[in-house]
Order: sequence, then C-alpha cells, then structure tokens
Amino acid sequence: AQSVSQHNHHVILSEAASLELGCNYSYGGTVNLFWYVQYPGQHLQLLLKYFSGDPLVKGIKGFEAEFIKSKFSFNLRKPSVQWSDTAEYFCAVNVFGNEKLTFGTGTRLTIIP
Amino acid sequence: DGGITQSPKYLFRKEGQNVTLSCEQNLNHDAMYWYRQDPGQGLRLIYYSQIVNDFQKGDIAEGYSVSREKKESFPLTVTSAQKNPTAFYLCASRDRTYEQYFGPGTRLTVT
Repeated sequence: AQSVSQHNHHVILSEAASLELGCNYSYGGTVNLFWYVQYPGQHLQLLLKYFSGDPLVKGIKGFEAEFIKSKFSFNLRKPSVQWSDTAEYFCAVNVFGNEKLTFGTGTRLTIIP
Repeated sequence: DGGITQSPKYLFRKEGQNVTLSCEQNLNHDAMYWYRQDPGQGLRLIYYSQIVNDFQKGDIAEGYSVSREKKESFPLTVTSAQKNPTAFYLCASRDRTYEQYFGPGTRLTVT
C-alpha cells in the first residue's frame, strides 16, 4: 500500500521568506500527485496537481511543486510567503486507476507578520 | 453554486448512541468519500462509493456504516461500536481527473 510522508509537522516563517514543504511517497508506479490546503475555518481545497508532462506545476496563489520521480518527491514551494498563507497543507497521492487518495499527515504553516 | 454540503457543522452525542452525518453533492460526481481528520494524523479514509448502491471499506471502517441510495447523497453513520468517535469528519466527491472536492466538515463530539 502506498504511503505519504510529510516530515515538517509545523513550520514557522516570517513574511517574505521562501517556503519549501517536503512530500515523499512510497509507490513506484504511475501516480497522480496533489497538494491541498486548509485555511483556518475553511474547506480543504486544491492548491495544485500533477498527472503527467512538465514536472514543475504551478497552482493557485503563487504556489508551485516539482515532481522528482527518482526521489519519489513532490515538494511544495513558494518564493515569498504572506501572512494569509497561514494554513495546514496536505500532500496526497493517488495510484493511477485506483479510487483511493492517500494523504500525508499535514504540515501546519504559521506566517509571522 | 455547485459543491458539497455537510450538516450539521457541530454535533454532540452521548456515548452509546448512533449518529448519522449528512453529505450531499450537486457536482454530478459518481464517486464519494468519507474521511476522518484527527490532529497530526492527516485524513484517513473511512468508506468510499464509486457508484450508487455500491460502497467499499476504507482504511478505518470499523464502527462506521454508509449507504448510497442516491447519487447526490452519501450519509455516514457513526455507531456505538466506534471506540473513539470524537473527530472532524470530511466528505468529498471526485471528478474524472481524480481531483477530490471537499465539504466543510462536521465536528462530532461524543461524551
């Protein structure tokens, strides 16, 4: 069974700092990769997704992620964070053709103004 | 306005009682899911349904039951057999690209 690891449990940054949140998965076959975000008091919503093609994907609010197949990684990045990026971020993996989406344990991001 | 609705937002029950959480979608999606979210554990899959009148157990199905009588609706019952029912429950549906869309969640407290 696939598993997803997010090693950063809580990240605290100042505004304008650069962000990178790690995500590693265990499955060796074809995967679909997602980053979801949960802002305080709001629905879980999609930030970005990778299915195929360019391994660098861009999402909403200036976020991007790079799929590195050899490292089984899909790290989330943002060059300059804002206070409004304070949220919990979840990486998720779907094995191609499988109904299930496996989530990581999440990273809580706190941005200090 | 398309989306997933879950009700109620907060639910309180006494131990030993069954409770049913509502989930409705108007996105015309075939597949629907129930997750449980606990601090530090991410989202764990309880049950999912790919089509009406069919559903499968997820990773933590014990103590839960579901039904899927209509495409739009996928209610979850938390039974008295669930040992630790207090949690935040999320419902989702999936489109053809495997993207999942989430409802606002129901926070269940059992005392």
